[in-house]
Amino acid sequence: GQNIDQPTEMTATEGAIVQINCTYQTSGFNGLFWYQQHAGEAPTFLSYNVLDGLEEKGRFSSFLSRSKGYSYLLLKELQMKDSASYLCAVKDSNYQLIWGAGTKLIIKP
Amino acid sequence: DTEVTQTPKHLVMGMTNKKSLKCEQHMGHRAMYWYKQKAKKPPELMFVYSYEKLSINESVPSRFSPECPNSSLLNLHLHALQPEDSALYLCASSQDLGRGTTEAFFGQGTRLTVV
Repeated sequence: GQNIDQPTEMTATEGAIVQINCTYQTSGFNGLFWYQQHAGEAPTFLSYNVLDGLEEKGRFSSFLSRSKGYSYLLLKELQMKDSASYLCAVKDSNYQLIWGAGTKLIIKP
Repeated sequence: DTEVTQTPKHLVMGMTNKKSLKCEQHMGHRAMYWYKQKAKKPPELMFVYSYEKLSINESVPSRFSPECPNSSLLNLHLHALQPEDSALYLCASSQDLGRGTTEAFFGQGTRLTVV
């Protein structure tokens, strides 16, 4: 079967750094996506990794290791507005997105 | 324009009603999707249209009927729904289904309540 695992919830302090991990087992791999979703709103695209390594985009970075089936999303200089759910999704061999359950990130002052 | 527009934002309907959800994008995307999302759960894929043809139907009950009138529009017709169908319905689009980034852009969703 196909499976994507992420922690259910994480808490971090404003101004700090947090790393959200994602492990996956899918039938084929055509890229890994991270989305941010605020409560009651639509997911918004954050990053895409298809090759191993780190992709940096401002305060957000995403890392991929295909051999380990592992990715993480790194958020720096946390702001209160970063409180949201972060969804990891993998595009499988049929180019369908397989979604993780999401990690709820709580930022405290 | 990187928007996917969904209407209505909120919908309350009875179990005998017929209603439609609408989705529109003008990014020239050729793949469009309907997802259902329950609280604290990830989006669940319902239907995929590729070049205006139904490409994927994830065993969705027939009380949900998708329609793609043209490359910019996607509808979801609802009939005889059940209370458990209450959820956030998300429309998304991407350049196509294939390789590459082709990230999906999501609309703001329709919050559906079936009473």
